[in-house]
Amino acid sequence: GAVVSQHPSWVICKSGTSVKIECRSLDFQATTMFWYRQFPKQSLMLMATSNEGSKATYEQGVEKDKFLINHASLTLSTLTVTSAHPEDSSFYICSAREPTGGPPEAFFGQGTRLTVV
Amino acid sequence: QKEVEQDPGPLSVPEGAIVSLNCTYSNSAFQYFMWYRQYSRKGPELLMYTYSSGNKEDGRFTAQVDKSSKYISLFIRDSQPSDSATYLCAMGGSYQLTFGKGTKLSVIP
Repeated sequence: GAVVSQHPSWVICKSGTSVKIECRSLDFQATTMFWYRQFPKQSLMLMATSNEGSKATYEQGVEKDKFLINHASLTLSTLTVTSAHPEDSSFYICSAREPTGGPPEAFFGQGTRLTVV
Repeated sequence: QKEVEQDPGPLSVPEGAIVSLNCTYSNSAFQYFMWYRQYSRKGPELLMYTYSSGNKEDGRFTAQVDKSSKYISLFIRDSQPSDSATYLCAMGGSYQLTFGKGTKLSVIP
């Protein structure tokens, strides 16, 4: 299957600072990438859909000015958590799909555990 | 009613047991049905997907979809300790997936 690499795998930051998370498709071009957030014992919550070369589409209730998404190339999307607060602490996961037109086989990155102190 | 319902467990079984994991859904427009396995602090990995009603088998894993009942299942035969993980169902159309909460499975040696 396709490989999606996410970096960093964990990060601790101070409240008020910004954190950037990278998501790369290593062996395919991903026109669309997805960003999820996962709380303990909870489902994956879709935050936004990132489309290469255009603005991301955010889900209802997700602050686009706080969670900045950039998809500048066919292999890289970034999520920047701006002015992070402790309530932003969570597990963030990206996924990408091969543009084959077939089933939505989502390939996930390893996830990033963000802790804001 | 939530679009996808999945019992979070936890589910604990002895090694060698047959495991049955299930999800129900409400959106009849769903076409694809997937099962993912997620180890602690890792991203989910795709186990199996099906497109229509019926069974699909891959080694020790069997996925079942009953569209008339809006019910999907994942069976694991001869369960192993390495199967201990959280299993998430996901379903959707050709574009977006909706995930269940996941069922945490522990296979005890």
